[in-house]
Amino acid sequence: DAKTTQPNSMESNEEEPVHLPCNHSTISGTDYIHWYRQLPSQGPEYVIHGLTSNVNNRMASLAIAEDRKSSTLILHRATLRDAAVYYCILGYSTLTFGKGTMLLVSP
Amino acid sequence: SQTIHQWPATLVQPVGSPLSLECTVEGTSNPNLYWYRQAAGRGLQLLFYSVGIGQISSEVPQNLSASRPQDRQFILSSKKLLLSDSGFYLCAWGGGGYYSGNTIYFGEGSWLTVV
Repeated sequence: DAKTTQPNSMESNEEEPVHLPCNHSTISGTDYIHWYRQLPSQGPEYVIHGLTSNVNNRMASLAIAEDRKSSTLILHRATLRDAAVYYCILGYSTLTFGKGTMLLVSP
Repeated sequence: SQTIHQWPATLVQPVGSPLSLECTVEGTSNPNLYWYRQAAGRGLQLLFYSVGIGQISSEVPQNLSASRPQDRQFILSSKKLLLSDSGFYLCAWGGGGYYSGNTIYFGEGSWLTVV
């Protein structure tokens, strides 16, 4: 699986937007970009995924660079419940999870 | 809708004892099935995945094994547990076939402590 690079941690204040970056310079043309998040003591939860175009759903937005070598997960208004580890993954038949970004949200 | 069930939720086992974790999926057919492990303070490690009955791919050599006796049933086993087998075990399912856009959905996990 192609490798992704994410910051180890990020901090945000409640009600503010959060932009979580991910670099994937070796992405192939068929790799989708997946984002999952994991709350403490729980299994990972699907957030969003996309191929080339930006994507929106009820949880977040995914902005994909034109060359597809990077992407950004956007949480429009962070809440305390968004504090989690966020994983950016490129996958085909299997998804390989890296260390992710731990998002800390302050009141 | 699709649901995934995994049990037991928590278990404490002595070193050298056997292990059996079971996972079933409802509401879908011919899913891809996965077993992941997360050791304390570490990332998720893919252990096994299966694209069909009796078809198991192992990602990491170890004393664990997996079986898929039925389409929507996935079992993780060990004949003799090691201390290093302690961790959070997660079963997951995804759409069938080799498609990069398939998302996977996780069960609630099983906490295993080997003592």
